[in-house]
Amino acid sequence: EADIYQTPRYLVIGTGKKITLECSQTMGHDKMYWYQQDPGMELHLIHYSYGVNSTEKGDLSSESTVSRIRTEHFPLTLESARPSHTSQYLCASSEWGGQSYNEQFFGPGTRLTVL
Amino acid sequence: AQSVAQPEDQVNVAEGNPLTVKCTYSVSGNPYLFWYVQYPNRGLQFLLKYITGDNLVKGSYGFEAEFNKSQTSFHLKKPSALVSDSALYFCAVRDRGGYQKVTFGTGTKLQVIP
Repeated sequence: EADIYQTPRYLVIGTGKKITLECSQTMGHDKMYWYQQDPGMELHLIHYSYGVNSTEKGDLSSESTVSRIRTEHFPLTLESARPSHTSQYLCASSEWGGQSYNEQFFGPGTRLTVL
Repeated sequence: AQSVAQPEDQVNVAEGNPLTVKCTYSVSGNPYLFWYVQYPNRGLQFLLKYITGDNLVKGSYGFEAEFNKSQTSFHLKKPSALVSDSALYFCAVRDRGGYQKVTFGTGTKLQVIP
């Protein structure tokens, strides 16, 4: 098992609530990612980071925001949740060191349901 | 732009038979190629990757993949399927240059029938 953690694993909330999905890794990896995945479907990259104070938007437009204040921590925040945000959110990390062939390690995911 | 295609949404195979999950890619240069597996209600797990060298790459759980540059393919294979191999499999590609992100395929559901 990879040392990458996500909390909560499951979350059911009402429309309009602000939520933060937590992701932490203990491997000292520089690169971290957030993906959105509907059950059994493809992954969509929504945010990534190359290191502290570095964040970029991914391929899929998202109303979420991220921060990277510490190497090990990459939280994702939704200011006002909507039913369209219902999905599974996967966090991942990988080594960088200038090499782009390093594989990603994934957390177990957070399944979010917005009522 | 780089892309990955997994032409089969689902592959069914009998236990003990060989299995193949197909993947083709498109990148501007030489690729790095990856296979991941996802079990129900879990994150993805890395299986194997191609960087350079031998076109046949061996990975976890008895899986292997063959890189074919002329056909731009990276098919996942296993000589003898197990019921426990039933899962969702994702192929991924990254261009070697710059800061390209990894692009994942749409996934192939493998069902191994007892």
